[in-house]
Parts: sequence; C-alpha cells; structure tokens
Amino acid sequence: DAKTTQPPSMDCAEGRAANLPCNHSTISGNEYVYWYRQIHSQGPQYIIHGLKNNETNEMASLIITEDRKSSTLILPHATLRDTAVYYCIVYSQGETSGSRLTFGEGTQLTVNP
Amino acid sequence: SQTIHQWPATLVQPVGSPLSLECTVEGTSNPNLYWYRQAAGRGLQLLFYSVGIGQISSEVPQNLSASRPQDRQFILSSKKLLLSDSGFYLCAWSKAGAETQYFGPGTRLLVL
Repeated sequence: DAKTTQPPSMDCAEGRAANLPCNHSTISGNEYVYWYRQIHSQGPQYIIHGLKNNETNEMASLIITEDRKSSTLILPHATLRDTAVYYCIVYSQGETSGSRLTFGEGTQLTVNP
Repeated sequence: SQTIHQWPATLVQPVGSPLSLECTVEGTSNPNLYWYRQAAGRGLQLLFYSVGIGQISSEVPQNLSASRPQDRQFILSSKKLLLSDSGFYLCAWSKAGAETQYFGPGTRLLVL
C-alpha cells in the first residue's frame, strides 16, 4: 500500500474553509484516496473517497492532483464539531478481497471559535 | 440502514485473564468484517479481517484470535491478556467487493 504524509496538526477558524493536505507520491494506478476522521474516543467516520476526479458530498470536497501524488480535503464551512483527527488513506485490495485500510497518524484539526 | 454494534464499550482486565469482544452488524448480509486496534496517540492497525463465516485472515502475529460464528458476528478473543494488549479496539464492516469501511463505536480495553 502507498504511504501517505499529512501535517500533524492544523487550526481553522469556525465558519472558514479547512483545507487538509495529503501527499501520496507512491500511489499506484488502481489505488483510491480515502478520507476518514475520528473524533476523540469514537470510531472513525468515513468522509469521502476518489480515484482520479474531484469528488464532493454533503460533508466535504476532495481535490486530487492530476498526477495523483497529492490531494486536499476541503471542509467548506468548518464548525466546532469538525474538530477531529483526519486520516488520509490510500487503499488497496488484498488478495482475498479483504479491504486493507492502513491508517497513519493523521492530522489533528482544531476548529477555533 | 446498516448499523454496527460493539460491546462492551469499556473493559478493565487483569494480565493473564481471557478476553472476548463482540461485534455485530445489522441491515446487511455477507459483509466483510474487520478488527483494528489503536494504541494511545497512534494510528489504526488492522488485526483481522473476514470475508465470510469461518474465514479469518490475520494481519499481525499476536496473542489475539478472531472468529466469525455467524454471518454478521465477529468476535475478538484472547486466552491470556498482556499489558501490551491495552488499546482501543474497533470493528468495521464493508460490503463484499466494496472498499468503503464503516466503523463501530469501539471498545476501550485496559489491561492492568
């Protein structure tokens, strides 16, 4: 699985857009980029994923560079409840069809009032 | 809609005692199931995954084991707990053939 690099922490003002970067320079052609977040003491929550094209859902937008070596998760209007650790994951499927998500250290996003 | 349950939410066990954590999924059939562990301040580590009843794949050597006695039930066990087994244990599921995983609320285990 390709490894990802994220800044350990970021701050954002409430109501502003939060832009969380992720580098995945060794990503291969069939690997997806996934984003999850984990609020303290809870299980991770799926946010969004993409392969090549930019994606948007009710939670966030995902911008993937053309060479796919990096991506940015955008929370358009951050709220205090968005304070969490955000994980960028590059996904590959195991030989026996079992998904293997490898979580790194993530980025601690703190949204300030 | 699908839901995933884990229990207990919190557990304190002495070293050398047995362990049994349970995970169940509702609202879907034949899911892929996963056990992860998260040590304090660290990322998640995949421990086991299962693509069907009785089919278990282990990702790392350890004194833990997993079983899937029913389609939507996944159990994490140990015969003798070690101090290093302390952590936050998360169960997840995904649709067969799909990549997106959905996590349960987790069990926080403290081994003393």
